[in-house]
Amino acid sequence: AQSVTQPDIHITVSEGASLELRCNYSYGATPYLFWYVQSPGQGLQLLLKYFSGDTLVQGIKGFEAEFKRSQSSFNLRKPSVHWSDAAEYFCAVGDMEYGNKLVFGAGTILRVKS
Amino acid sequence: GAGVSQTPSNKVTEKGKYVELRCDPISGHTALYWYRQSLGQGPEFLIYFQGTGAADDSGLPNDRFFAVRPEGSVSTLKIQRTERGDSAVYLCASSAKVPGQGATDTQYFGPGTRLTVL
Repeated sequence: AQSVTQPDIHITVSEGASLELRCNYSYGATPYLFWYVQSPGQGLQLLLKYFSGDTLVQGIKGFEAEFKRSQSSFNLRKPSVHWSDAAEYFCAVGDMEYGNKLVFGAGTILRVKS
Repeated sequence: GAGVSQTPSNKVTEKGKYVELRCDPISGHTALYWYRQSLGQGPEFLIYFQGTGAADDSGLPNDRFFAVRPEGSVSTLKIQRTERGDSAVYLCASSAKVPGQGATDTQYFGPGTRLTVL
């Protein structure tokens, strides 16, 4: 069965520093991969998605992610973090064999210190 | 345009009561999904609809949970004989393309309904 692992429960970075959030997936075929962000009391907002093609994907708010098939990873990066990026980030894989229901990781809470 | 809306935003009920949670998808979206997010966890799939029919209900935890989408638009998640373990945020999402027909489309999420069972 498909699964997603986000190894870091919490990450704290200084404002202006670079960020990398890790995501590893388990899926038998070519995965559809997503990163969502959730601010307190808010719904999930899509940051970016990978379906096929270029393995480096650009998203909103200056985020990017790189799909590495050999490592089963889809890590999220941002070169310079802003205080407003503090939120919880979820990686997800779309299960195309079963109607594209999303399987989510447990999330990584990002704290930004000034 | 309007996004996915969910009502109520908060629902407090007593153990054993019946509750209904409503989801209004983005207009024209054919696929609709329900997820449940417990505290400290990622969302977990419950059920998804293609049009009016439940195409996959494998995530419903037991027969106390049921969902309908009678006209292919609004959906209602129904929980009978609520238990304290049902307390969670229930998220609804919709997407424009029917899964399995070409490239999948993005799921857009509503703000969720926070259910608290006392």
